[in-house]
Amino acid sequence: GAVVSQHPSRVICKSGTSVKIECRSLDFQATTMFWYRQFPKKSLMLMATSNEGSKATYEQGVEKDKFLINHASLTLSTLTVTSAHPEDSSFYICSASEPGFPTEAFFGQGTRLTVV
Amino acid sequence: GENVEQHPSTLSVQEGDSAVIKCTYSDSASNYFPWYKQELGKRPQLIIDIRSNVGEKKDQRIAVTLNKTAKHFSLHITETQPEDSAVYFCASTGGGNKLTFGTGTQLKVEL
Repeated sequence: GAVVSQHPSRVICKSGTSVKIECRSLDFQATTMFWYRQFPKKSLMLMATSNEGSKATYEQGVEKDKFLINHASLTLSTLTVTSAHPEDSSFYICSASEPGFPTEAFFGQGTRLTVV
Repeated sequence: GENVEQHPSTLSVQEGDSAVIKCTYSDSASNYFPWYKQELGKRPQLIIDIRSNVGEKKDQRIAVTLNKTAKHFSLHITETQPEDSAVYFCASTGGGNKLTFGTGTQLKVEL
């Protein structure tokens, strides 16, 4: 199947700093990618839909100024957690699908963010 | 928006027994229903999926059934093995490949 690569897999940062997470589709082009957040022993909650060449679509309750999403190319979307605080500590994971609908979603490895 | 409910939240079975996990969805426009297995700290892995024009699909020990009228779908695992122990999520999507996930089921297969 298709491959989605996410980096970094783990990051520890200090409160107040920003962290960038990358999501790449390695062998296909993705006009749309999705960013999820997962708390321990909880489900995946969709944060936003990343659209290549246009603004991301955020889910209700997600602060767009805090979670900046950029989808500058057909194979790369980035999520930047700005001014991180301990409550932002979580598992962030992206997904992408090959063209067409409906098609299988391929997930990145996930990023474990710890804000200290 | 779509709402997906999943039951049970935890399920313990003896090795060799069957396990059944059930989900209901709210959006009648949903037409794709994947099931994912997630091990601790890892990415979700697709184990089986079903489209709305099909009522049942089977892949070796795993099967999924879909009842569009009742808006529910179920995962069936037969002859469970210890390596089946993980968290299982159902999901649905009605458009644009945007998935709504169920709350998850922690499956434990005991020897």
